[in-house]
Amino acid sequence: LAKTTQPISMDSYEGQEVNITCSHNNIATNDYITWYQQFPSQGPRFIIQGYKTKVTNEVASLFIPADRKSSTLSLPRVSLSDTAVYYCLVGVGGFKTIFGAGTRLFVKA
Amino acid sequence: NAGVTQTPKFQVLKTGQSMTLQCAQDMNHNSMYWYRQDPGMGLRLIYYSASEGTTDKGEVPNGYNVSRLNKREFSLRLESAAPSQTSVYFCASSERSGTEGYGYTFGSGTRLTVV
Repeated sequence: LAKTTQPISMDSYEGQEVNITCSHNNIATNDYITWYQQFPSQGPRFIIQGYKTKVTNEVASLFIPADRKSSTLSLPRVSLSDTAVYYCLVGVGGFKTIFGAGTRLFVKA
Repeated sequence: NAGVTQTPKFQVLKTGQSMTLQCAQDMNHNSMYWYRQDPGMGLRLIYYSASEGTTDKGEVPNGYNVSRLNKREFSLRLESAAPSQTSVYFCASSERSGTEGYGYTFGSGTRLTVV
């Protein structure tokens, strides 16, 4: 799996847009980019997955530039309930997925 | 609701005791996984089963054994529990590998304390 680097923590306020960037300089041609969300005392939950350009669903958007060496998870108008840890995973065809420390997002009122 | 079910949710063991954590999925997924998560840390893979009838070691397999009982069930056994195994254990499943296609679905976790 490609090594990923993301901020350890971020703070935001309710109603703001939050962008979390993940760097993956050695991404391979066939690799997907996948983001997960983990609330306290729960297992991680799949948020979004993409390969290139932009992907949007009801929860978030994922922006991937042409060189695919980074990606940005965008959460529109966050609320207190978006306080969680967000994990960026990059890879394909492998079972030994490692979830790093992720980015701890804390949303304030 | 469809998903991954883990039992028990909480467990306290004495050092040296054994126990089995149970996991079942009803999504007809081929692959299943056991992870552990220590406080403030990411998840570390203990064992995985790419398909029914196969199991393989992950990053931290020592002190654990697994059984893929059938396509639905994947159990994790601690033969002689140690305080270092105090952690939250998550089971997950995926259609194929978790980083392509459909991604992982996780259970709600088992919080294990070894005293």
